Amino acid sequence: EPEVTQTPSHQVTQMGQEVILRCVPISNHLYFYWYRQILGQKVEFLVSFYNNEISEKSEIFDDQFSVERPDGSNFTLKIRSTKLEDSAMYFCGSGEYEQYFGPGTRLTVT
Amino acid sequence: DQQVKQNSPSLSVQEGRISILNCDYTNSMFDYFLWYKKYPAEGPTFLISISSIKDKNEDGRFTVFLNKSAKHLSLHIVPSQPGDSAVYFCAASEVLLGVNSGGSNYKLTFGKGTLLTVNP
Repeated sequence: EPEVTQTPSHQVTQMGQEVILRCVPISNHLYFYWYRQILGQKVEFLVSFYNNEISEKSEIFDDQFSVERPDGSNFTLKIRSTKLEDSAMYFCGSGEYEQYFGPGTRLTVT
Repeated sequence: DQQVKQNSPSLSVQEGRISILNCDYTNSMFDYFLWYKKYPAEGPTFLISISSIKDKNEDGRFTVFLNKSAKHLSLHIVPSQPGDSAVYFCAASEVLLGVNSGGSNYKLTFGKGTLLTVNP
């Protein structure tokens, strides 16, 4: 069964550093997403991506965030200058009405 | 702004009995609803969904009921099994078709989740 994969599973970085989280969505899906879950809080929508452009983004997704599909399979989330409050689980998803998620990347900003 | 609410943080049931997980929403524009199951250190796993034009959808042991007038949905698991023990998230979307370069918006809004424990 096709699945979404994410790397790394855990990333530790210092405040102010750039991080790139990677995802391989399900191959025949056209819509891709990033969500995050801060410890003890809800899963929150960050951004959706279709046809090589952002189709919707949340207030959280400010200028420090960017997404890219650098090739035919990978989908990345970059945080330019990480803050302590960026520490969270980041989930990549793909699909349309029904979205399928990867196992997540735990980002710890120290 | 809690547009999707799961008011029970936890639920405990005996193996073989029915588990009923509840979810309320406030945004009347939501037209597609989903349930996800999540184990620790894993991503949410899609379980079952329902469109706003239906009031019931069934898939094996899982049934989702939608009451649009009450803005309420529920997930029934019958019979419950110990392997069902996990956090269950309700999610909703207001699907906007063709809003961007022919693309659409399927953004999900999640509830806080309910921890289901099924005791052997």
